[in-house]
Amino acid sequence: AQKVTQAQTEISVVEKEDVTLDCVYETRDTTYYLFWYKQPPSGELVFLIRRNSFDEQNEISGRYSWNFQKSTSSFNFTITASQVVDSAVYFCALRYILTGGGNKLTFGTGTQLKVEL
Amino acid sequence: EAQVTQNPRYLITVTGKKLTVTCSQNMNHEYMSWYRQDPGLGLRQIYYSMNVEVTDKGDVPEGYKVSRKEKRNFPLILESPSPNQTSLYFCASSTGAYNTGELFFGEGSRLTVL
Repeated sequence: AQKVTQAQTEISVVEKEDVTLDCVYETRDTTYYLFWYKQPPSGELVFLIRRNSFDEQNEISGRYSWNFQKSTSSFNFTITASQVVDSAVYFCALRYILTGGGNKLTFGTGTQLKVEL
Repeated sequence: EAQVTQNPRYLITVTGKKLTVTCSQNMNHEYMSWYRQDPGLGLRQIYYSMNVEVTDKGDVPEGYKVSRKEKRNFPLILESPSPNQTSLYFCASSTGAYNTGELFFGEGSRLTVL
């Protein structure tokens, strides 16, 4: 079964702390795609990153970095020097190809990050 | 501006009164999808469409219908809404090879069924 687990329901940190959001996925497919989305208090869903299963390079974008490890089926997200504006719900998602050519995208249940002064 | 537009954004209705939530995208995307978001459950896929006249069930299709007569539009139909369909609904579209690119989401439609 295709599944995404975000075991951390809620994380609270103090501003400037580093924080890592965990994402563990399950799939039998060799080709799949992983995503992170941010949902700030205003409610919209903001795309952060897409990674395909053949690209295990870690990525850094400003204060954000992602660690993709196929050996542990994890795609963790780290925010360095967190800021209050980082407070949001973060979703990890898995997109996979179906037999017959369709595809589906499955989300984790999300991690609520609260960054306090 | 590239966008996915949903209407209405907010709706309060009563059990059994048919309603339609419209979704339109202006990016010429082939793939469109509907999700519902509930506390503690994340986003769950209701239906998706790979292209015009091609639709398929997601993980929670019961009580919903969709149609894809035009590429840009993907309405979600609740024939007989019930209180357990009270939720926040998102429409999304995407492109990329085999439609596996990032999803572009609408702003969400908050539906309350009394």
